[in-house]
Amino acid sequence: EPEVTQTPSHQVTQMGQEVILRCVPISNHLYFYWYRQILGQKVEFLVSFYNNEISEKSEIFDDQFSVERPDGSNFTLKIRSTKLEDSAMYFCGQQLGLGEQYFGPGTRLTVT
Amino acid sequence: GENVEQHPSTLSVQEGDSAVIKCTYSDSASNYFPWYKQELGKRPQLIIDIRSNVGEKKDQRIAVTLNKTAKHFSLHITETQPEDSAVYFCAARNAGGTSYGKLTFGQGTILTVHP
Repeated sequence: EPEVTQTPSHQVTQMGQEVILRCVPISNHLYFYWYRQILGQKVEFLVSFYNNEISEKSEIFDDQFSVERPDGSNFTLKIRSTKLEDSAMYFCGQQLGLGEQYFGPGTRLTVT
Repeated sequence: GENVEQHPSTLSVQEGDSAVIKCTYSDSASNYFPWYKQELGKRPQLIIDIRSNVGEKKDQRIAVTLNKTAKHFSLHITETQPEDSAVYFCAARNAGGTSYGKLTFGQGTILTVHP
């Protein structure tokens, strides 16, 4: 299985602060995704990103969220003003093109 | 949008027994159905998948079946081992003719295999 990496593994922040979660891409992977998983719940789609632009986003992905892949390097998810309910595991997903999506190890975000 | 229902929410079996997890989906245009295994605190790991042009796929002790007419698909694990204990998620994707797209996940099944 391709190795997707994410940083940081754990982020603690205060409500209202901005956080940036990073995903290190695998070469040749073209499609990028962010998902979140609230503790004990299912994995939920946030956004998909292809060719340097958002291709689809969910209702969860409101104006507080943004994604980018500056200079073809890390794929990032930014939350501008965190809320308590943003506490969750955030997984970066990548896909080469044949269909299989692989996930990074996740970032545990704790908003206090 | 797509909705995926997964049953049961918990499943407890004895080592060596078989385990079956079932999912239904709502969008008849969905055409790709992966299964993920998630151990505590870890990432979901793809264990098997099936596309809509295939009715069954097998990989050693695991198999997946798909019934497009009924819009349901199932994961079968034979000769279960304690290391199979984890949360299993099904998912569905409508790629709309492309090979990419979001995954919609089921609620997950906690599988416990007792030695």
